[in-house]
This record gives sequence, structure tokens and C-alpha cells, in this order.
Amino acid sequence: DQQVKQNSPSLSVQEGRISILNCDYTNSMFDYFLWYKKYPAEGPTFLISISSIKDKNEDGRFTVFLNKSAKHLSLHIVPSQPGDSAVYFCAASAYGGADGLTFGKGTHLIIQP
Amino acid sequence: DAGITQSPRYKITETGRQVTLMCHQTWSHSYMFWYRQDLGHGLRLIYYSAAADITDKGEVPDGYVVSRSKTENFPLTLESATRSQTSVYFCASSDSGAPGTDTQYFGPGTRLTVL
Repeated sequence: DQQVKQNSPSLSVQEGRISILNCDYTNSMFDYFLWYKKYPAEGPTFLISISSIKDKNEDGRFTVFLNKSAKHLSLHIVPSQPGDSAVYFCAASAYGGADGLTFGKGTHLIIQP
Repeated sequence: DAGITQSPRYKITETGRQVTLMCHQTWSHSYMFWYRQDLGHGLRLIYYSAAADITDKGEVPDGYVVSRSKTENFPLTLESATRSQTSVYFCASSDSGAPGTDTQYFGPGTRLTVL
């Protein structure tokens, strides 16, 4: 059973518009959530994170929102740029991540010119 | 240069052979992890280590062996490779495992093909 779900395998967005990537989780013990970005033939790169004690974290064009009651988080990218085209993974952890991260299957974001 | 490196980047081997994937980090991070990435599965944890000489199984450990004699190195060995172990393998490291230090930093990956 998947504990972290990204239900959209792909998403196409026009350059300059907002990209919204969604993630749902089932494990109530998760207390830290991360987004990673991955280009082909490279390792995942950390993008942004949020602790369960917050509901929003912002870093430049990237904002992550957490709705604990719905067990849902989303990543907003605005404005979207061509370099944002990549696979985005949602990940979650508990207890400081000492026993690893649990990843979703990823969403392939395509930014159209 | 500081960071996390993996070698080899690409490896082709045959069923039944032993193969070792290397991982090296220069941050002195306590925790190190091995994941595999397969289509339709995202990244799945194979093994992890909290410190030198301390290792533990993740979600998919069968067929793999790890060791950690030095903090900076965390090799992953496939003792008798099978076709189902064809995958991309990522090594990662993180700081202390305390709350708020959950961010893991990934190597570039090793693409392994088992014929």
C-alpha cells in the first residue's frame, strides 16, 4: 500500500503560468514533507520542505502548502519556467528521517513555451 | 569537491555475478541510504545506516548486502545479481536524523543492467 501518492503522472503547463503539483499521504506519523526535482540521468535535488507544525513554506517561486487534516500537500511554482520541466517527487518522513524517506511515484512536469 | 559521488555510473553484468556499487560522501553526514528507482514505483529504500558499523533494512532489502566500515563510504553489494535488480540506484546522505534534519542529499545514480 502506497503511503505517499502522487496521482498525476504528468502535468503540462504553459510558461509563465502557475504549476500546481499535488501529493497525498496516509501515514499519520509523517511529520516532515519534502519535494525533490529530478532531471534525466541525474540524482534527485532537494527543492523545498515543510514541517507538520506549519501550513505553508515559501522559497522564491516555490511554495509548499500542507493540509494536515486532509493529509494533502501541494507544490506551487509561479511563474513556471522552461527549466522547471522535470520529474517532481513528493517525500515524507517521521522521526527525523532516520529510517529513510517514503517517496511518491513522481509527477512529470512539462512547461510549454 | 565536496558532495556525494557514486561509482560506477553505468554497469552491465550477468545473472549470478556479484557486483558492488560504491557511494562516497564528504560532508561527514551520519546517515546514509540506498534507494532504487523503477518505473511505476518511485524511489524505494533498500538499506540505510545511522553511523559506521550500524546498518538496517529498508523496504526492499532482499538480494542486497551493505557495509559501513567508514563514515564516508556506504557500498551496496548484489551477491548474485538477478534481472529483477536491473534498476537505477541512488545513494543519499543526511545529517543527524533529528527532527528537522530530514533532508537527504542524493548522488547522481548508478544505472545497473543485469542480463
